[in-house]
Amino acid sequence: DTAVSQTPKYLVTQMGNDKSIKCEQNLGHDTMYWYKQDSKKFLKIMFSYNNKELIINETVPNRFSPKSPDKAHLNLHINSLELGDSAVYFCASSQGPSSPDTQYFGPGTRLTVL
Amino acid sequence: DQQVKQNSPSLSVQEGRISILNCDYTNSMFDYFLWYKKYPAEGPTFLISISSIKDKNEDGRFTVFLNKSAKHLSLHIVPSQPGDSAVYFCAASDKGTYKYIFGTGTRLKVLA
Repeated sequence: DTAVSQTPKYLVTQMGNDKSIKCEQNLGHDTMYWYKQDSKKFLKIMFSYNNKELIINETVPNRFSPKSPDKAHLNLHINSLELGDSAVYFCASSQGPSSPDTQYFGPGTRLTVL
Repeated sequence: DQQVKQNSPSLSVQEGRISILNCDYTNSMFDYFLWYKKYPAEGPTFLISISSIKDKNEDGRFTVFLNKSAKHLSLHIVPSQPGDSAVYFCAASDKGTYKYIFGTGTRLKVLA
C-alpha cells in the first residue's frame, strides 16, 4: 500500500491553463505539505496544513491554491499556468507539524508547461 | 539565501569503501537535522536524523555526525553498496517555524 500518493505522475499542459494535483496519505498523519523542486534541484516548501488548517504559506504566487478537504488529502490547484511553473511537485506528510517529526514524501508530479 | 548547503553536487565511491556526504548550514536556530535518499522518479525517503543535543547517530551502515560549532553535518555510509547510488538531501529545521529547509542534494554513485 502506498503511504503518500499523488496524481497525476506527469502533467503536460499549455500556458494559461488551470490544473490540479491531488495528494492522499494513508498514514493517519495530521500534517501535509507541498514542495516544489525546480530545475536547480532545490526542494522548497510551498504550503503546509495541520488538521486541515494552513500553517505554512511561503511566498508563492496566489495562482497556487492548496485545499485540504480532510486530514488525509491535500490538493494543489494552479491557475493561469506559466512556463516558470514547470517543476516536480512533491506532497509529503508527517505525524505533526514540528520537528522531530519525519516527513514522508509522495513520488512527485512532473509538471511541464509549454 | 540558502541556509542549507551541499557543496558537492556529485560523488563517486568504490563498492565496499566509505562514502562521506557533507552538509553546511548557516542558521544557528536549527535544532534537528535529517538525511533523505532519493531514487529517480521517486520521492525522497527518510534515512537518518540527529537532534542538536547529540553529535552522532548511527543506524546500521549509516552514521550522521553533527559539528554544531562548525555548523556542519556529514553522512557516512560504510561499506558503500551499489544500491546506495542515489541523490542524498540533507534538511534542517527549528521548532519555531515548522519548516524543513533542504539542501540541493549530492548524487552518490557507488561503483561495483
